[in-house]
Amino acid sequence: KNQVEQSPQSLIILEGKNCTLQCNYTVSPFSNLRWYKQDTGRGPVSLTIMTFSENTKSNGRYTATLDADTKQSSLHITASQLSDSASYICVVSEYGNNRLAFGKGNQVVVIP
Amino acid sequence: NAGVTQTPKFRVLKTGQSMTLLCAQDMNHEYMYWYRQDPGMGLRLIHYSVGEGTTAKGEVPDGYNVSRLKKQNFLLGLESAAPSQTSVYFCASSRGLAGGPGEQFFGPGTRLTVL
Repeated sequence: KNQVEQSPQSLIILEGKNCTLQCNYTVSPFSNLRWYKQDTGRGPVSLTIMTFSENTKSNGRYTATLDADTKQSSLHITASQLSDSASYICVVSEYGNNRLAFGKGNQVVVIP
Repeated sequence: NAGVTQTPKFRVLKTGQSMTLLCAQDMNHEYMYWYRQDPGMGLRLIHYSVGEGTTAKGEVPDGYNVSRLKKQNFLLGLESAAPSQTSVYFCASSRGLAGGPGEQFFGPGTRLTVL
């Protein structure tokens, strides 16, 4: 069973609208959680990193939240733009070793 | 800084042929990784290295070999290519931190087709 589950698998939103992507994980012990954005035909690029003590972190129109108790994270996109069309990948790092657990990604399509 | 570069960008092989994918990074990162990405599967780790001269198996290592002779380079080899190895291959590098790997920086990918 995958240690990182993302939902929804894909969604279509209108330009200017908001959306929220979910990431649930079972990785333990937990070190950090990163959200990556992957544009079509490109490699992933880091958006945010969340450590155990952090609840919210923003990067422009992207806001990530973390609930380490329930092992859930979300990525909220505000006032979506066409350039937000991409796959968003949740990656959880296990503390003390080199293991990274990848989600399969949330595919977001923003339409005008 | 070029970041992480991959060579080649595209390649078509026939079953049984061999090839080597080259990854180079100029950020002095300790850790380097090779992933494959297939539709609906997400990124899967093939092999990784935590330092020059060291390599380790990832989630899907069968059919691949790697070498890290220089800190800045990480090579992925396919000795006898199979159609199941048709995929997009990504290289990444990161710093090694006390709690685990740091932020990963990815290359642009290599699209490989095996006929």
